[in-house]
Amino acid sequence: AQSVTQLGSHVSVSEGALVLLRCNYSSSVPPYLFWYVQYPNQGLQLLLKYTSAATLVKGINGFEAEFKKSETSFHLTKPSAHMSDAAEYFCAVEDTGNQFYFGTGTSLTVIP
Amino acid sequence: SQTIHQWPATLVQPVGSPLSLECTVEGTSNPNLYWYRQAAGRGLQLLFYSVGIGQISSEVPQNLSASRPQDRQFILSSKKLLLSDSGFYLCAWRGLGTGANVLTFGAGSRLTVL
Repeated sequence: AQSVTQLGSHVSVSEGALVLLRCNYSSSVPPYLFWYVQYPNQGLQLLLKYTSAATLVKGINGFEAEFKKSETSFHLTKPSAHMSDAAEYFCAVEDTGNQFYFGTGTSLTVIP
Repeated sequence: SQTIHQWPATLVQPVGSPLSLECTVEGTSNPNLYWYRQAAGRGLQLLFYSVGIGQISSEVPQNLSASRPQDRQFILSSKKLLLSDSGFYLCAWRGLGTGANVLTFGAGSRLTVL
């Protein structure tokens, strides 16, 4: 089975600062990778996905992520944090069996 | 367009009582359907998934069960709830074709077992 590791269960950044949320996956075959965002008491919304096209993936709300096969990483970044970015972020991987595996999530706090 | 509905949104149940959470998808056919649980401060745990009517796969042994009586309906049930069943339950679907390989989630059902 796949596994996804998100380093840092809580990340705090100042408004306007760079956001970096880390995600590493375990797979011998490049999988499909995703980042989702969850606001309090809501379901998960797709931010972006990597499906073996360009390694730098742009998503909604100014987020992007870079697939690095050599590092088995898919870190999420945003150049300038907004207050509205405060939420829980989940990295996920889909294996060849159509199963999705999620990381434990990173809670992002934006400090005004 | 495709939409996913989950209900009830909030549920408070006593220990030992039954449970039924329902999920329906509109605007697609033969979706893969999933039930996840999110406990407080923890990630998502896959409970069940289904690739078709009557086809249910369980990922975690527990006192919960799932059924798919219709193509776009997925039900999560329990005969007797435990305190540990409290959590945020999320239904999701994955289709084929356009938007493939993307899980789309419902708004969730928050269950509190007292």
